[in-house]
Formats: sequence, C-alpha cells, structure tokens
Amino acid sequence: DAGVIQSPRHEVTEMGQEVTLRCKPISGHDYLFWYRQTMMRGLELLIYFNNNVPIDDSGMPEDRFSAKMPNASFSTLKIQPSEPRDSAVYFCASRRTGQETQYFGPGTRLLVL
Amino acid sequence: QKEVEQNSGPLSVPEGAIASLNCTYSDRGSQSFFWYRQYSGKSPELIMFIYSNGDKEDGRFTAQLNKASQYVSLLIRDSQPSDSATYLCAVTEDNFNKFYFGSGTKLNVKP
Repeated sequence: DAGVIQSPRHEVTEMGQEVTLRCKPISGHDYLFWYRQTMMRGLELLIYFNNNVPIDDSGMPEDRFSAKMPNASFSTLKIQPSEPRDSAVYFCASRRTGQETQYFGPGTRLLVL
Repeated sequence: QKEVEQNSGPLSVPEGAIASLNCTYSDRGSQSFFWYRQYSGKSPELIMFIYSNGDKEDGRFTAQLNKASQYVSLLIRDSQPSDSATYLCAVTEDNFNKFYFGSGTKLNVKP
C-alpha cells in the first residue's frame, strides 16, 4: 500500500511568491494533518482535517497560510506571499479512525530566499 | 501553552548498551504518549505509544510512564548503530489528533 505522498519534495522560491504544497493521504484514512518542522520550533501541528473538513487550524501561523481538502485523496497548503521565515520542512500525515498512528509523508523542504 | 521537554543531546552510547531517553510534559490533562524516531532528512516514524502508568515493552524498546511526575521515557536495549537518530516525544490530550512534540533527543550509537 502506498504511503502518504507529498509534492514537491523540494521547493526554492523568492520572497513574495505563492507556494503550494500538495498531499495525498493513505487510501482509507479519514484524518489529514499538516505539520511544519524547523530547528527553532521543532515539529508543530498547523491544521488537521477529518473527512475533508478542517477541524483545528489554531496552529496556522497567520493569514498568509491556507489549507484546503477538496476531496478525500488530496490536500493543499498554500503560502501567499511567502517569507524567508517560512523556510522549513512541511510534513503531511494521515490517520484512520480507530488507529492511533499518524503516518507521515516524506515532507517538502521549502526554502524562501 | 503545552510544553514537552527533551534533552537535545547528543546522547552517545556504545553498541549493545541501553539507551535511556527522557521526556517531561507540562499538561496534566495529557492522555497518550508517543515516541517517534526520525532519521536525518527523513520523516518521523512511530516506535510505540503508552497510555497507562508503568512499563510497556515492544521488542528492544520499553516505554515508561509516570503521570504523577509527568514523565515518560524510552529505553532501547542492545542499542545498534542503526538506532542512531533523533527521538521525538509527543503527547496528546485528545483522541490522537492534536500532538505536541518535544524538540527531540539525538542518539548516537557507537560501534
């Protein structure tokens, strides 16, 4: 069974540009999570969805960040406009109701110049 | 603010020794406790989780929980060089969704 798929794996962009990160959860998983990992702040939960509905977005740093889940197999995290302090590794994870484990994707390494 | 504290390390142990990794948390409402392993440049992967006070064993790994002291630990017996990684402690107060991660402890197992 395929794991969580994220694209792109690496993204380099300039300050002010729009960045879109993509995630495909494991088939059958009804929870999807977006995390950000930096050296300074560690691994932080940004937002999570259940059955495509955003449940908790309290970790989203500011209005420049938005996330959508138009269907059960696809989610996006968008940053507009991007800033150098957004440079981080962004992970997507998914989980099935009844299971404790969140399965992480390979991450997207974002560098904003 | 829910705090999860870990010693950043690095913790160095010789091959075959027991590695002991520790984590403290601030929120007494925390219900479930998870240990993830993260190799450099890779994503976190779950090692094990624990809910109840006491010990839980899974192969070479043992998780220990003391809710009164707000303390959780991970023991790795017969450490191998392949165990060299960063170990993340995570706590959650709800049903496995909102995780709070520690900053991780880097473990080096020397051959």
